[in-house]
Amino acid sequence: QTVVTQEPSLTVSPGGTVTLTCASSTGAVTSGYYPNWFQQKPGQAPRALIYSTSNKHSWTPARFSGSLLGGKAALTLSGVQPEDEAEYYCLLYYGGAQLYVFGTGTKVTVL
Amino acid sequence: QLQLQESGSGLVKPSQTLSLTCAVSGGSISSGGYSWSWIRQPPGKGLEWIGYIYHSGSTYYNPSLKSRVTISVDRSKNQFSLKLSSVTAADTAVYYCARAGITIRLGATLIWFDPWGQGTLVTVSS
Repeated sequence: QTVVTQEPSLTVSPGGTVTLTCASSTGAVTSGYYPNWFQQKPGQAPRALIYSTSNKHSWTPARFSGSLLGGKAALTLSGVQPEDEAEYYCLLYYGGAQLYVFGTGTKVTVL
Repeated sequence: QLQLQESGSGLVKPSQTLSLTCAVSGGSISSGGYSWSWIRQPPGKGLEWIGYIYHSGSTYYNPSLKSRVTISVDRSKNQFSLKLSSVTAADTAVYYCARAGITIRLGATLIWFDPWGQGTLVTVSS
């Protein structure tokens, strides 16, 4: 069974920078996994932030960016705002089986 | 602007079948280049992808749920549905529907997920 692992929790100060990562149990994550990133706040549906590694939606704040880092997908928040406190999930596509797997999620605390 | 809305029974008895529908408004479910997914989230836990269906009717399911899941499309009603059989308390979750788009830009294939429905809580209990 494929597992996609994220840091359970990260803490960042307002105005700071934090990087979340997304690792696959099958090996290095590449652009071919089309990494997507979502933000979820309590009681709300997930909101799409980044698609296919580094592409931003029209509503994605400029301080969010996606990349590949050391064999993992990464989401970087620069100039963190209090409203960025949320759970973040990555999603990878496994083309061979044509299925998706969500990451375990990262709780970001702004403190 | 495309919108998705889940509906269905909020309470299901153990061993019975969970049935949910996702109504699509502001666009056609028959448009090419999209797939239609179901995703769930148990209380206090992470997201789990259940499966998806293409406009063509092809379906792909999470291997851990495959034996119990059926996703179908009703083009006349512009909606797609989820059936999950033999439910247990472990199937208690908020169920979301979402659209995935596949586009090609500058020679690169892009996959994105938007929009999502607001989610509906399904509780499995006798």
